[in-house]
Amino acid sequence: DQQVKQNSPSLSVQEGRISILNCDYTNSMFDYFLWYKKYPAEGPTFLISISSIKDKNEDGRFTVFLNKSAKHLSLHIVPSQPGDSAVYFCAANQAGTALIFGKGTTLSVSS
Amino acid sequence: GAGVSQSPRYKVAKRGQDVALRCDPISGHVSLFWYQQALGQGPEFLTYFQNEAQLDKSGLPSDRFFAERPEGSVSTLKIQRTQQEDSAVYLCASSLGGFGGGGNEQFFGPGTRLTVL
Repeated sequence: DQQVKQNSPSLSVQEGRISILNCDYTNSMFDYFLWYKKYPAEGPTFLISISSIKDKNEDGRFTVFLNKSAKHLSLHIVPSQPGDSAVYFCAANQAGTALIFGKGTTLSVSS
Repeated sequence: GAGVSQSPRYKVAKRGQDVALRCDPISGHVSLFWYQQALGQGPEFLTYFQNEAQLDKSGLPSDRFFAERPEGSVSTLKIQRTQQEDSAVYLCASSLGGFGGGGNEQFFGPGTRLTVL
């Protein structure tokens, strides 16, 4: 059973608008959550993270929100740019254990 | 180099052949991880090294998979008697510390795409 789920395989957004990527998890013991971005033929690149003691972390155009009661996190990209087009992976873990990744969401930003 | 490098980038093997995949982590990174990414899936953990010690190999799918990091830097993932289901991208990642979180974010290489015919 998947512990980290990204239920939307793809998302299309216009340049300048907000992109919202969602992730759900089932393990309430997770204490760290990360987002990775992946371009074709490259490895995933770390984007932003949040610990379970916070509910929001912001880094430039990227903000991650964590709702522990709903076991849900989201990544907001504002404003979206064509260069943001990539596959976005949500990942989570408990301290000292392996990262568990979702299946990814492909974001397409059109100009 | 500045990042994690992996070689070869692409490998085609006939079923039953042995393959060896190499990972050069970021200099000074203590931790090294191997992941397997099947088509349309996220990376799945295979094994973890801290320096030369293999601390977790719980994700290795069978005893045909073997990993080593003898001097605590370069690592090799070996797959013996390859099967078609082994076809995937094999990703290597390194971090300063442990599994991730609190500054221990993992940095990934470009991966090796293995195709078993």
